[in-house]
Amino acid sequence: DAKTTQPNSMESNEEEPVHLPCNHSTISGTDYIHWYRQLPSQGPEYVIHGLTSNVNNRMASLAIAEDRKSSTLILHRATLRDAAVYYCIIDSGTYKYIFGTGTRLKVLA
Amino acid sequence: NAGVTQTPKFQVLKTGQSMTLQCAQDMNHNSMYWYRQDPGMGLRLIYYSASEGTTDKGEVPNGYNVSRLNKREFSLRLESAAPSQTSVYFCASYRVGAEAFFGQGTRLTVV
Repeated sequence: DAKTTQPNSMESNEEEPVHLPCNHSTISGTDYIHWYRQLPSQGPEYVIHGLTSNVNNRMASLAIAEDRKSSTLILHRATLRDAAVYYCIIDSGTYKYIFGTGTRLKVLA
Repeated sequence: NAGVTQTPKFQVLKTGQSMTLQCAQDMNHNSMYWYRQDPGMGLRLIYYSASEGTTDKGEVPNGYNVSRLNKREFSLRLESAAPSQTSVYFCASYRVGAEAFFGQGTRLTVV
């Protein structure tokens, strides 16, 4: 199973873009990249996922490196409600859905 | 459409007691999961069930058993609770190629 590496914590100012990186150097060609976030005292919630191409949805954008060994979750305008722990997960199709330690995002007013 | 429902939400056990955490999903997903989350830590996979009738160990299975009762329900049993099992437990269901949905968690304290 591909492992992920994320910074422990990041800070951003409110209404500015945030780029959350994830390294997954052992990813295989058919592995999906998933992102979840966990707000305080809640279960994780889905943010976005992709395979090779960059992806956009109403919550965020996912930029995937050409060699797929890293990806970046982009929040276009951070709000205080975006303060959470963000997890990058590699779905290898084995059903073994492993979370790493994630990045704790702090948004400053 | 309730998504993933976990019961109970809170539980206090004495060391050595047993209990079963219940999880049900109404999204017709094949795969279901149990995680634990210790304070300030990430989620760790205890057991998972890729489909009805199958279960597999995750990262931290010791001290737990699971039952995939049917497609909807996946239960987690602690046979003899220990203080080290004090944690928040999350159940999830997943449709391959899409997204996972999580319950709101069960906060378990073992004294």
